[in-house]
Formats: sequence, C-alpha cells, structure tokens
Amino acid sequence: GNSVTQMEGPVTLSEEAFLTINCTYTATGYPSLFWYVQYPGEGLQLLLKATKADDKGSNKGFEATYRKETTSFHLEKGSVQVSDSAVYFCALSAKYSGGGADGLTFGKGTHLIIQP
Amino acid sequence: GAGVSQSPSNKVTEKGKDVELRCDPISGHTALYWYRQSLGQGLEFLIYFQGNSAPDKSGLPSDRFSAERTGGSVSTLTIQRTQQEDSAVYLCASSLFARDDEQFFGPGTRLTVL
Repeated sequence: GNSVTQMEGPVTLSEEAFLTINCTYTATGYPSLFWYVQYPGEGLQLLLKATKADDKGSNKGFEATYRKETTSFHLEKGSVQVSDSAVYFCALSAKYSGGGADGLTFGKGTHLIIQP
Repeated sequence: GAGVSQSPSNKVTEKGKDVELRCDPISGHTALYWYRQSLGQGLEFLIYFQGNSAPDKSGLPSDRFSAERTGGSVSTLTIQRTQQEDSAVYLCASSLFARDDEQFFGPGTRLTVL
C-alpha cells in the first residue's frame, strides 16, 4: 500500500536558521505530492504541491522538489521565522495514477518550533 | 460560507452512545472527504464522496461507522456504540472536483469517548 515517512520531531530551530524536513514515500503509479501545514488552533492548509517528477512546489519561502529516483519530497526554507512554528504534514495522492486510493495518505507530521 | 465548517467543534460522549458529526463543504465543491486524526495513528483517510455517492467504504474503521451525503452538500459521519478508541479529531475536507489536487480542510470535531 501507499505510505509516507517523515521525521516526527519536535524540530527546534533558531530564527533565520535553514530548515529541512525530510519526507519519503512509497506508492504505486505516479502520485501527486503535497505539504500541508497546521498552525496552532487552525485547520490544515495546503502549503505547496508537485504533481510530476522534478516539479518544484513553492510558497511562502518554502520549497520542495519531487524526486522520483529517491522517492522523496523534502521541505526546505532558507530562513525560518517564529511565525513558521506549526506542524507540517507530507502527503500523497495516488488516486488518478493507478494507485487506487481516493483520499490523501499522510505522514505522521513534524512539529516545528522556531525560537526567537 | 467561506470555508469548510464542521459541527460540533467538541463532543464528549459516554462509551456505547451514538454520535453524529456534521460537515458543510465549500459551496459548489463536488467532492467531500472524511479523515481521522489521532495520536497513535496520525491522519487516516476514512471515506470519500463524489456527489452523494461513496465509491469505496473500505477505509471506515469498523461497521459501527457510517457516512452519508445529501443534496451534494452536507455530510454526516455517524459512529454507533462508541468506544474509547474512537476518540480522535475528525476532519472533513472538500475539493471542487474529484480530480482536483487541493483539498480544503475544516477545523475538525474533537470527539472524546469516556
């Protein structure tokens, strides 16, 4: 079946540090890949996505590149801010790539804490 | 409304009771999804509706769980004879079309079974 693996944390960084959150996946077919973010007290929001190999998704200074050869979709940001503190979820959708699933498959989430 | 809404926001119930959780998707969105978020299992996909039809119910955890959608809009997730392991946050999401990549999530219903 499909699965997503990501570091669970918590990951604690100082403001302006470089961020990497690793995400690897297992899926049949050619899934679409996503990063969702959950800020404290709020619902899940789509942060960025990539739908095919070598695509780069980007938003709010965050980037992730779809690497089919390593089945990875690592999230990066060059300089984090306190306001980036949240839980980040890597996810995949294999619905229309032969994978058979209808919903998103999520990783367990990475709790990111940015200290001033 | 502007976003996906869910009610109630919190529900505390006693073991063995039935509960109904409601989801109002974004107006015009044809696809609706239910997920469960719990400490032990993370985020699990439960069921998906295209219009009023759920093509695959195999993601529901047990036969105590059922879901329906009426008028291509509101959906209800019902849990019968609740158990303590049902305690979780139940999330609803919607997308304009089933093929759309982006799902918009509601704030969730936190269910606590005593």
